[in-house]
Amino acid sequence: ETGVTQTPRHLVMGMTNKKSLKCEQHLGHNAMYWYKQSAKKPLELMFVYSLEERVENNSVPSRFSPECPNSSHLFLHLHTLQPEDSALYLCASSQDYEDAYEQYFGPGTRLTVT
Amino acid sequence: GQQLNQSPQSMFIQEGEDVSMNCTSSSIFNTWLWYKQDPGEGPVLLIALYKAGELTSNGRLTAQFGITRKDSFLNISASIPSDVGIYFCAGQRGSQGNLIFGKGTKLSVKP
Repeated sequence: ETGVTQTPRHLVMGMTNKKSLKCEQHLGHNAMYWYKQSAKKPLELMFVYSLEERVENNSVPSRFSPECPNSSHLFLHLHTLQPEDSALYLCASSQDYEDAYEQYFGPGTRLTVT
Repeated sequence: GQQLNQSPQSMFIQEGEDVSMNCTSSSIFNTWLWYKQDPGEGPVLLIALYKAGELTSNGRLTAQFGITRKDSFLNISASIPSDVGIYFCAGQRGSQGNLIFGKGTKLSVKP
């Protein structure tokens, strides 16, 4: 595998379920990002990890819980989501957090909350 | 919060035509990036611009970093059907990796 991969590609979950999204980057990068992409809105940055430490948390509800066990993997744990959380969740990585202008995205997980 | 104004929102063009889209901001940016997103996929980086006035090409794509550092444009010459998709601009203000994205320009190309 090359680049940034995400699993699953599609996920349907009920509001009481707990699920996790996984992202893996094969680029040797040190920074990883979670974004939410909703229709007709700009990409919204959710979390940033640099060298496995969280450096950014943009007022995201606690029902979204990120985890970065190592610099290649990033998870987004989901629990008690709301229908308005349905969106495309994109993972990205960059070489470093400082001076790292080029972010490379995965294909995304299309999440539907019923 | 910080916003990028990207226009037009959508374009319907004939194959072979040239396309131009742009992004503007009320604030200065240090870096401008242009991405393309195909349906069901993540954005793919097309061009990165690092200096005011910089003009960079990638095949039929040309992008420029505005002199005022508050805008950028992307041109596509001689469009083809596979150019269809959503094009996003993104800007970076400081020295850290956070990007601010425009809402995208949806391009449709008629064969």
